[in-house]
Amino acid sequence: EAGVAQSPRYKIIEKRQSVAFWCNPISGHATLYWYQQILGQGPKLLIQFQNNGVVDDSQLPKDRFSAERLKGVDSTLKIQPAKLEDSAVYLCASSLTGLLNEQYFGPGTRLTVT
Amino acid sequence: GIQVEQSPPDLILQEGANSTLRCNFSDSVNNLQWFHQNPWGQLINLFYIPSGTKQNGRLSATTVATERYSLLYISSSQTTDSGVYFCAVGNSGNTPLVFGKGTRLSVIA
Repeated sequence: EAGVAQSPRYKIIEKRQSVAFWCNPISGHATLYWYQQILGQGPKLLIQFQNNGVVDDSQLPKDRFSAERLKGVDSTLKIQPAKLEDSAVYLCASSLTGLLNEQYFGPGTRLTVT
Repeated sequence: GIQVEQSPPDLILQEGANSTLRCNFSDSVNNLQWFHQNPWGQLINLFYIPSGTKQNGRLSATTVATERYSLLYISSSQTTDSGVYFCAVGNSGNTPLVFGKGTRLSVIA
């Protein structure tokens, strides 16, 4: 069974530029999550989708971050404009359905904002 | 919200040694997972263990939900066990997984 796929693996941009990350979850997984992991800390949830609907985006900085999962499968997370403090690893995870199921993580995208 | 504390924050082991990592949480949980984050950043699932005991090779885990803690045991450690071990918990169907700060393990040959 293929795992969670993410791209790109690395991205370097200048502040005020925009960037987009892509995630394809495990086949059949209805729930998709985006996490932000700052160096030295544990991952923090940004947004959770159930199929193509948003379940929780309370910790997403909506003035600059946006995410979509239009067809209920793959998802895109965008940052526009980027700030220095957005430098982090962005992790995508998926689970069969809901938060009480085991979550599986992709390899992450390491973003550096200069 | 729920608080998660992991200990110790750092651990250095000689290859072949055993270790116990601890995760304390502040409320009842319905979801508890242990992850290993390897040096390349990949989070690898170790155990899904909201209660009880599980074993997988040299690793085992026990969660005592009533006392709000979980333990991860690593026996006969190898250099490939190095990395950061995270505990993450959730206590309802609508709250996100909350991660601890992790235990950084270094196994030296």
